[in-house]
Amino acid sequence: GQSLEQPSEVTAVEGAIVQINCTYQTSGFYGLSWYQQHDGGAPTFLSYNALDGLEETGRFSSFLSRSDSYGYLLLQELQMKDSASYFCAAPPEGGYQKVTFGIGTKLQVIP
Amino acid sequence: DAGVIQSPRHEVTEMGQEVTLRCKPISGHDYLFWYRQTMMRGLELLIYFNNNVPIDDSGMPEDRFSAKMPNASFSTLKIQPSEPRDSAVYFCASGRAGYGYTFGSGTRLTVV
Repeated sequence: GQSLEQPSEVTAVEGAIVQINCTYQTSGFYGLSWYQQHDGGAPTFLSYNALDGLEETGRFSSFLSRSDSYGYLLLQELQMKDSASYFCAAPPEGGYQKVTFGIGTKLQVIP
Repeated sequence: DAGVIQSPRHEVTEMGQEVTLRCKPISGHDYLFWYRQTMMRGLELLIYFNNNVPIDDSGMPEDRFSAKMPNASFSTLKIQPSEPRDSAVYFCASGRAGYGYTFGSGTRLTVV
């Protein structure tokens, strides 16, 4: 089986930095992905960590530690438009394909 | 590229009616996924295809649900008969191994 846990809600101030954590339990592991979803919209792929360490893409960074079964998404220089839900996702086993999503973290950016 | 195209965007139907959701994946993507999203259960994987072949349908809730992919550019998800508890947003996504998925805009289904 497989489970992913992340906080349900996070509030942060515009211009600040916020970290959204994700812990997972899985019988097999092929990497951790992050997706963003605005209210009423579709999930949008942000990043994928196959190996331990930090991946940076502009204001967003994602980190993975396989030994700790843990990852996080780091958002810097927060903007109001970053208010959205953020999902970590991972395939339980059998490869990349059967990706399961966490329940999502609703980020609210306040002025 | 137009992205993943789903139709209809909204569907309201009466309980007991048949509902068919449609998806056109991105050309060149060999994986296609159907997800359902609700407030209570989040994003649930229903079924996925690889090269038009259903690989895993263990997420399909019951026999009322069926999915087909007759060719690389088209897939359908059918619910027959529909029930109020099927009300959700249904997403289709496509991708290639080693890359992130691209989701369609979703179909918001309401069964009354």
